[in-house]
Amino acid sequence: GAVVSQHPSRVICKSGTSVKIECRSLDFQATTMFWYRQFPKQSLMLMATSNEGSKATYEQGVEKDKFLINHASLTLSTLTVTSAHPEDSSFYICSAYGTGGIGGKLFFGSGTQLSVL
Amino acid sequence: QQQVKQSPQSLIVQKGGISIINCAYENTAFDYFPWYQQFPGKGPALLIAIRPDVSEKKEGRFTISFNKSAKQFSLHIMDSQPGDSATYFCAASRDNAGNMLTFGGGTRLMVKP
Repeated sequence: GAVVSQHPSRVICKSGTSVKIECRSLDFQATTMFWYRQFPKQSLMLMATSNEGSKATYEQGVEKDKFLINHASLTLSTLTVTSAHPEDSSFYICSAYGTGGIGGKLFFGSGTQLSVL
Repeated sequence: QQQVKQSPQSLIVQKGGISIINCAYENTAFDYFPWYQQFPGKGPALLIAIRPDVSEKKEGRFTISFNKSAKQFSLHIMDSQPGDSATYFCAASRDNAGNMLTFGGGTRLMVKP
């Protein structure tokens, strides 16, 4: 079945460094990818929507210069947390929406736990 | 504004019992209602979904009941098992395919042996 691969699954970094998270659709073309943030025991909060080859659309309150999203191909989107700080520590999840052979479905990655020291 | 309200926040059920989680939505433009299951440290996985043209959908032990007039839908887990212990999220979408999802707040289910 269709799979979305998200890497890394866990990252620990020092405050002030940048962290890149990759989201790949392995066997389908993802026309749209979504990035979510989830705090412990809370729901998923949509951060941004990205379409291949165009700029990402950020939700209200999400800093676009802080959370850089690149969707350079139909199978890869990246989220870069720039100059990370402890308050950026969270569980980040991507999802990919594909049409065609998989019939218009949404699949989630396995998530990335970011811990900023 | 929380567009999808989910209850209860947590639920404890004995093995073999029925787990019931409820959701209510406000936006009548929503036309796709999926349920997701999430284990700790993992991304959500689609469990079952329904569209507003049917009132009930069953897949194995999982059933969605949908009440369009009341703008409510619920998940029933029959014969609940300890392996069902997870967080469950309802969601809603306007594009009939789950592209742009609005999630409920989640329900942490614990099934006791």
